[in-house]
Amino acid sequence: NAGVMQNPRHLVRRRGQEARLRCSPMKGHSHVYWYRQLPEEGLKFMVYLQKENIIDESGMPKERFSAEFPKEGPSILRIQQVVRGDSAAYFCASSPGQGASNSPLHFGNGTRLTVT
Amino acid sequence: AQSVTQLDSQVPVFEEAPVELRCNYSSSVSVYLFWYVQYPNQGLQLLLKYLSGSTLVKGINGFEAEFNKSQTSFHLRKPSVHISDTAEYFCAVSNTGTASKLTFGTGTRLQVTL
Repeated sequence: NAGVMQNPRHLVRRRGQEARLRCSPMKGHSHVYWYRQLPEEGLKFMVYLQKENIIDESGMPKERFSAEFPKEGPSILRIQQVVRGDSAAYFCASSPGQGASNSPLHFGNGTRLTVT
Repeated sequence: AQSVTQLDSQVPVFEEAPVELRCNYSSSVSVYLFWYVQYPNQGLQLLLKYLSGSTLVKGINGFEAEFNKSQTSFHLRKPSVHISDTAEYFCAVSNTGTASKLTFGTGTRLQVTL
């Protein structure tokens, strides 16, 4: 049973380019969360999605960032016109439901984005 | 709003010694509490969680944590550490209404040496 799969593991972009980060949740999981980890900091919640719906995007920057979780295929976190401050590790997590009692989050290994 | 404070950014310890990693939280509502471990270049792995019931929670790899509501703490302990426990440890909190939306502390780097 494969875990949460994120690709690419490492992504280098020049300022102004677009970054696309992909996340395939664990089999049977329909809830996806994206977190960002800046250097020397903890993880910060960005967005929570279910299939075809954004449930909570309170942690997403207002501009340049978007996320989707289509009916088919992985969840995508898209960053347009990247800047150096976007350099971070981006983690995806999935769960089968929303309750912590029976739906602990399973994290992927992250995508490390470097903006040059 | 919730917050998590991990006062120790780094904790050096000798192998086979006991260790305690401190975590304090603040929240105006009921919470769930978690400890995660992150090995280099990997994602986070759940060590243990407190949802309700007994305040002493046992997790994987010999770790345990105790929920203290009056002190708003959830310290992580292990009686005897191993070299392989070297990693970053994150305390996290969620409210019981949005249980999978976690607020993380800044992490504690546990460095175990011989």
